[in-house]
Amino acid sequence: QSALTQPASVSGSPGQSITFSCTGTGSDVGGYNYVSWYQQHPGKAPKLMIYDVSHRPSGVSNRFSGSKSGNTASLTISGLQAEDEAYYYCNSYTSSSTHVIFGGGTKLTVL
Amino acid sequence: QVQLVESGGGVVQPGRSLRLSCAASGFSFSSYGMHWVRQAPGKGLEWVAVISFDGINKYYADSVKGRFTISRDNSKDTLFLQMNSLRAGDTALYYCAKARDLFGGFDYWGQGTLVTVSS
Repeated sequence: QSALTQPASVSGSPGQSITFSCTGTGSDVGGYNYVSWYQQHPGKAPKLMIYDVSHRPSGVSNRFSGSKSGNTASLTISGLQAEDEAYYYCNSYTSSSTHVIFGGGTKLTVL
Repeated sequence: QVQLVESGGGVVQPGRSLRLSCAASGFSFSSYGMHWVRQAPGKGLEWVAVISFDGINKYYADSVKGRFTISRDNSKDTLFLQMNSLRAGDTALYYCAKARDLFGGFDYWGQGTLVTVSS
């Protein structure tokens, strides 16, 4: 089972909106609403930002939102801030024998 | 508050075994599924294994199936990962993570324990 596909890097300026993509198949992203997004700063543990495609955990800024269309899930950050600079990973349940699959991660650079 | 503290990592020779532990506190441990996720140095996240709240259901990544065993002791609020036949490719920081539900997002993570497989 290959990893979910995420762009290696994206960049944006403070105040902009930016969208990350996470592409899978009908056996994972497209088939289930178990897509989550994580933020990871260097040397830190990942932090859950979005679960079940579009739900935000308590304490996560409403600048973060999630959605899905077909086999592609998206994470959008609005009003980009310097502190948002980090790696972002998506993951999904998969009906394959692996059960859980991650994307390769996207590095966000705030210019 | 929720705390997950991993331990048991270290340097081990290829082919040897290691047992990781994850001590949980601040939530009803016996009510939630738990996962192990690893991250090789400079690489992305890789899911390793999951165990249901009652310890009955266990699932593994293909890369560790048959070599790793996940288990839990709900009386001690502790999660385990028994790793046998270790390979260089298993070198990584191993995180334990609490699941919101079995496959619906990992809402709390430990700080990880480093496993280095090297001769």
